[in-house]
Amino acid sequence: QQQVKQSPQSLIVQKGGIPIINCAYENTAFDYFPWYQQFPGKGPALLIAIRPDVSEKKEGRFTISFNKSAKQFSLHIMDSQPGDSATYFCAARSYNTDKLIFGTGTRLQVFP
Amino acid sequence: DAGVIQSPRHEVTEMGQEVTLRCKPISGHNSLFWYRQTMMRGLELLIYFNNNVPIDDSGMPEDRFSAKMPNASFSTLKIQPSEPRDSAVYFCASSLPGQMNTEAFFGQGTRLTVV
Repeated sequence: QQQVKQSPQSLIVQKGGIPIINCAYENTAFDYFPWYQQFPGKGPALLIAIRPDVSEKKEGRFTISFNKSAKQFSLHIMDSQPGDSATYFCAARSYNTDKLIFGTGTRLQVFP
Repeated sequence: DAGVIQSPRHEVTEMGQEVTLRCKPISGHNSLFWYRQTMMRGLELLIYFNNNVPIDDSGMPEDRFSAKMPNASFSTLKIQPSEPRDSAVYFCASSLPGQMNTEAFFGQGTRLTVV
């Protein structure tokens, strides 16, 4: 079922650093690419999402970069804070189904 | 709205016992998803419903797993008989129809431990 590959599995940065999480997909029917953030003991929550008709989307300190030809997309967290420490999941959904397929997750730790 | 509500939050059971997990989606959402989360495999989609009808159950691991959605406000995931390898966190999520590319809202999950 693994159709979205995510890396790295874990990431450690210092406060103020810019962690980057990468995802790749194969299914060209995917047309919606959200990122979810999950804190311990909680369910994942939508952070930011992009459609393939744009190459970049920013919301606050979070930016998605999208490369349609390479079938890759990434999450950048600017000026990272300890409160950003969480697990991040990329996901993808195709236009003809409701199925939301997740990557395997990246555990991010931001140290003060 | 209280969000997606799952029960119980924690379940510990003995191998061979039947386990039933419950989910109440957000009112008005007509897509419902069951996911399983483990360290090794991340978030796996088990099954999803649209308008109470199972659309895709290809992620259900085996016949020991079954899911129902008798009405728009309730769904269950049943494991019978349970095995230690079923230990995981099970999430329910709901959303508006996918073609609207809307957000999937997750419950807080049920942590299942099978001993």
